[in-house]
Amino acid sequence: DAGVIQSPRHEVTEMGQEVTLRCKPISGHDYLFWYRQTMMRGLELLIYFNNNVPIDDSGMPEDRFSAKMPNASFSTLKIQPSEPRDSAVYFCASSLGQGGTYEQYFGPGTRLTVT
Amino acid sequence: TQLLEQSPQFLSIQEGENLTVYCNSSSVFSSLQWYRQEPGEGPVLLVTVVTGGEVKKLKRLTFQFGDARKDSSLHITAAQPGDTGLYLCAVWDYKLSFGAGTTVTVRA
Repeated sequence: DAGVIQSPRHEVTEMGQEVTLRCKPISGHDYLFWYRQTMMRGLELLIYFNNNVPIDDSGMPEDRFSAKMPNASFSTLKIQPSEPRDSAVYFCASSLGQGGTYEQYFGPGTRLTVT
Repeated sequence: TQLLEQSPQFLSIQEGENLTVYCNSSSVFSSLQWYRQEPGEGPVLLVTVVTGGEVKKLKRLTFQFGDARKDSSLHITAAQPGDTGLYLCAVWDYKLSFGAGTTVTVRA
């Protein structure tokens, strides 16, 4: 079975540009999570969805960040406008909510560099 | 303040040695997960522990959940270079929270 798919794997953009990161979760998983990882702050949860509905977006740093999940097989994380401090690795993960443990299956990540 | 405190932050050992990393909190959790992340990849789930005092083994890795379900440890026996990576613990507390991780380097 295919795991979580993310695209692009690498993105280099200039400050002020719009960036869109994409994620395809594992089929059948009903939770989707977006994370950001940096050396300084570690792995931070940005937002998560249950059955395509955003449940907690308290980790989204600013209004420049937005996430959507139009259907069970696709999600986007958008940054507009991007800033150099947004440079990080962004991970998408999916999970089955049953059992209450929410075990995460991560994608390979998108390394974002904003110059 | 971090919900989960992991120690040590860095650990470098020789192949064949044993090591233990810790994950501690002042809160009680219903379950706790351990992940390993290799450079350039996403974290991969190793184990979930759910019962206080529980011990789980995964080949040379032994995971223990504290009796009070506030802490956990990961012990690696006879470490190999393939065990090199960032070890993260995580708990669900209305949302998933990760510790800062322990970077383990096993030298050949």
